[in-house]
Amino acid sequence: DQQVKQNSPSLSVQEGRISILNCDYTNSMFDYFLWYKKYPAEGPTFLISISSIKDKNEDGRFTVFLNKSAKHLSLHIVPSQPGDSAVYFCAASPLYSGGGADGLTFGKGTHLIIQP
Amino acid sequence: DAGVIQSPRHEVTEMGQEVTLRCKPISGHDYLFWYRQTMMRGLELLIYFNNNVPIDDSGMPEDRFSAKMPNASFSTLKIQPSEPRDSAVYFCAISRGSSSNVLTFGAGSRLTVL
Repeated sequence: DQQVKQNSPSLSVQEGRISILNCDYTNSMFDYFLWYKKYPAEGPTFLISISSIKDKNEDGRFTVFLNKSAKHLSLHIVPSQPGDSAVYFCAASPLYSGGGADGLTFGKGTHLIIQP
Repeated sequence: DAGVIQSPRHEVTEMGQEVTLRCKPISGHDYLFWYRQTMMRGLELLIYFNNNVPIDDSGMPEDRFSAKMPNASFSTLKIQPSEPRDSAVYFCAISRGSSSNVLTFGAGSRLTVL
């Protein structure tokens, strides 16, 4: 009954190439989507977000795409660098929420490995 | 994670013992969250507070778990008695504003119950 699904537990990409991490959701009430990045022995850190009124948001090498009809979003990293090796969590929430039962719902994460 | 300090960073204990995890938010916040991360279930919300008041504890797995926030600068998550299945990384996180979904996480407390 996962409402946010990251179906790839791990992904290996060569340095300099594009990394594409995927996320699917089932709850139609979700209006706001975020990606968090987590290094070992550290807490997740916010990376990039997108609201449902947009289909794309770009920040430097990172771009998030949202396909609301398919309930799918993806994170693109171009070009991939060794420092991008980390676990990436997709998260979703209703736009109005600050927490709680209507707060952030996380996927299980995708471990991205950038190979030199 | 400069905004949230968690202790201990690692805890190894035996089944049946009491465990207390601590969280000290450094930066300003309105909300404080406790999450648990396991391989099987990923990041799960356990409980959250708004202005030090517990709002939703529906994620707390059992009565063995309890959380308090006596003031804006301190929160605890207690497990009594602990069980091996409680082994996980426990994160404290904060956010600000009723519409802010950007959480600042602490580095986490890794708990191992033998």
